[in-house]
Amino acid sequence: DAKTTQPTSMDCAEGRAANLPCNHSTISGNEYVYWYRQIHSQGPQYIIHGLKNNETNEMASLIITEDRKSSTLILPHATLRDTAVYYCIVRVLKGSNDYKLSFGAGTTVTVRA
Amino acid sequence: GAGVSQSPSNKVTEKGKDVELRCDPISGHTALYWYRQRLGQGLEFLIYFQGNSAPDKSGLPSDRFSAERTGESVSTLTIQRTQQEDSAVYLCASKASTYSYEQYFGPGTRLTVT
Repeated sequence: DAKTTQPTSMDCAEGRAANLPCNHSTISGNEYVYWYRQIHSQGPQYIIHGLKNNETNEMASLIITEDRKSSTLILPHATLRDTAVYYCIVRVLKGSNDYKLSFGAGTTVTVRA
Repeated sequence: GAGVSQSPSNKVTEKGKDVELRCDPISGHTALYWYRQRLGQGLEFLIYFQGNSAPDKSGLPSDRFSAERTGESVSTLTIQRTQQEDSAVYLCASKASTYSYEQYFGPGTRLTVT
């Protein structure tokens, strides 16, 4: 699976958009980009995933560059509850969509009032 | 509805003792995963159950680790002869089916081996 690179940390003002970058320059054509987050002392939480088209759900938007070598997770209106470690992962989806997560260090996002 | 639950939430044990960690997945979820997360580190895959298929044990770090799942319900992760390096948060996740994308995580069991 392709390796990802994320900034170690970032701050964001409450109510503003948070843009979290992720580099995955060695991504293969059959690898998806996933984002999870982990709030302190809780289990990880799925946010969103995509292959090549931009995706949006109730939590966030995912923008994937045309060459798929990088992506950006956008939290449109950050709240204090969005303070967490955010993980960008690329995984092959085998035919059955099974995948095994493995996280690196992620980006520690701190939302400030 | 109820999420994934794990018990105990915290476990302190002496080196060399055996421990059992329990996971109750979301009802009806056919896929179940165990992960380990050491302090300040990322997630390590341990084992995966899917329906009646043979489990994927490729992430188990040693033969001291084993896991069982009864049908599509509760799972137990057992660590024999615990070592200090086994200290970590053990997380369980379940997924609705083979074809779903999202894993739902429990709160984890914090294991401390003294």
